[in-house]
Amino acid sequence: EAGVAQSPRYKIIEKRQSVAFWCNPISGHATLYWYQQILGQGPKLLIQFQNNGVVDDSQLPKDRFSAERLKGVDSTLKIQPAKLEDSAVYLCASSSWRGDNTIYFGEGSWLTVV
Amino acid sequence: QQPVQSPQAVILREGEDAVINCSSSKALYSVHWYRQKHGEAPVFLMILLKGGEQKGHDKISASFNEKKQQSSLYLTASQLSYSGTYFCGTEMNSGNTPLVFGKGTRLSVIA
Repeated sequence: EAGVAQSPRYKIIEKRQSVAFWCNPISGHATLYWYQQILGQGPKLLIQFQNNGVVDDSQLPKDRFSAERLKGVDSTLKIQPAKLEDSAVYLCASSSWRGDNTIYFGEGSWLTVV
Repeated sequence: QQPVQSPQAVILREGEDAVINCSSSKALYSVHWYRQKHGEAPVFLMILLKGGEQKGHDKISASFNEKKQQSSLYLTASQLSYSGTYFCGTEMNSGNTPLVFGKGTRLSVIA
């Protein structure tokens, strides 16, 4: 079974530029998450989708971050304009409604803002 | 409410044992344990549900004390491959609520 796919793996941008990350979850997983992981810390939830609807975006900085999951499968996370403190790994994860809500992570997209 | 993990870091020699704790001030429904190696995605280890039994596979096991709202991860006879950062993720309600992760415990196993 293919895992969670993310791209790009690495991105370096200047502050105030924009960047987009893409995620394709495990096939059949209705729930998709974007987490932000700053170096040395645990993953922090940005947004949770159930199919193509938003379940929780309370920690998403909506003035600069946006995310969509239009067809209920893959998702895009955008940052515009980027700030230095956005430097982090952006982890996409997915889970199935069936079973125990185990979350499976992708390898992450590493963002450096200079 | 972010769970609190302890210790923050631990160094072991191969074959030694370790315990990592994860505590919450709120009532928990489940605790999930992950291991992350540098530059890689967190990998799921196991989940403990409220009212469930201690779980384990190979030489890694975990327990969940509902009275204390604390979970402990036990690593016995550690191997070099156990090195990494261990995170607990907690869930307060059943059914599709996002995990809240602790800050992690960095485990280094040396020969």
